[in-house]
Amino acid sequence: QKEVEQNSGPLSVPEGAIASLNCTYSDRGSQSFFWYRQYSGKSPELIMFIYSNGDKEDGRFTAQLNKASQYVSLLIRDSQPSDSATYLCAVVTGTASKLTFGTGTRLQVTL
Amino acid sequence: DGGITQSPKYLFRKEGQNVTLSCEQNLNHDAMYWYRQDPGQGLRLIYYSQIVNDFQKGDIAEGYSVSREKKESFPLTVTSAQKNPTAFYLCASSISRADYGYTFGSGTRLTVV
Repeated sequence: QKEVEQNSGPLSVPEGAIASLNCTYSDRGSQSFFWYRQYSGKSPELIMFIYSNGDKEDGRFTAQLNKASQYVSLLIRDSQPSDSATYLCAVVTGTASKLTFGTGTRLQVTL
Repeated sequence: DGGITQSPKYLFRKEGQNVTLSCEQNLNHDAMYWYRQDPGQGLRLIYYSQIVNDFQKGDIAEGYSVSREKKESFPLTVTSAQKNPTAFYLCASSISRADYGYTFGSGTRLTVV
């Protein structure tokens, strides 16, 4: 079992719709969770982090965490073509010494 | 402006050569990391350092070496022992612990010719 799992996609949503990206993790002791956006050929950029169970909202983005189910998700409301990218889920593992990344979900927002 | 600078942006290596990728940060971060990304795959950890003059192997350290002589710098050497070095290499830093998240450099794309 991989430490962090994501569906590779592509996930295709029409412009203006809600995109829902999901991630599961195996380390029940994990406490910190991150979502990075990566455009093709570029480095990842941090868009959301969440530490507590529940929802965290920032503009069009909402991160959701359920530690009991070992599940973290990212919702993007009013999706725009500029949101088309690969979204990487990352989880702190070990003694908070490093991030472990999923393989990413490619999102395509269509006109 | 604070940030992480990776150089060069593109690098070509001949068979049997060692090459060194530069990573410099002016964020006053304690921890630095090297990841490798292959097409369609996630990031895999090569080495990381939480303090000057100390570093630890990641999941795929074979064929790579690092040094951390200064807080600002964490160069990665890809040795001839690394049999499949063609990849996108990313350097990152964090304040201290990883649970504050990373800031990434712009990456170096290494190709074997």
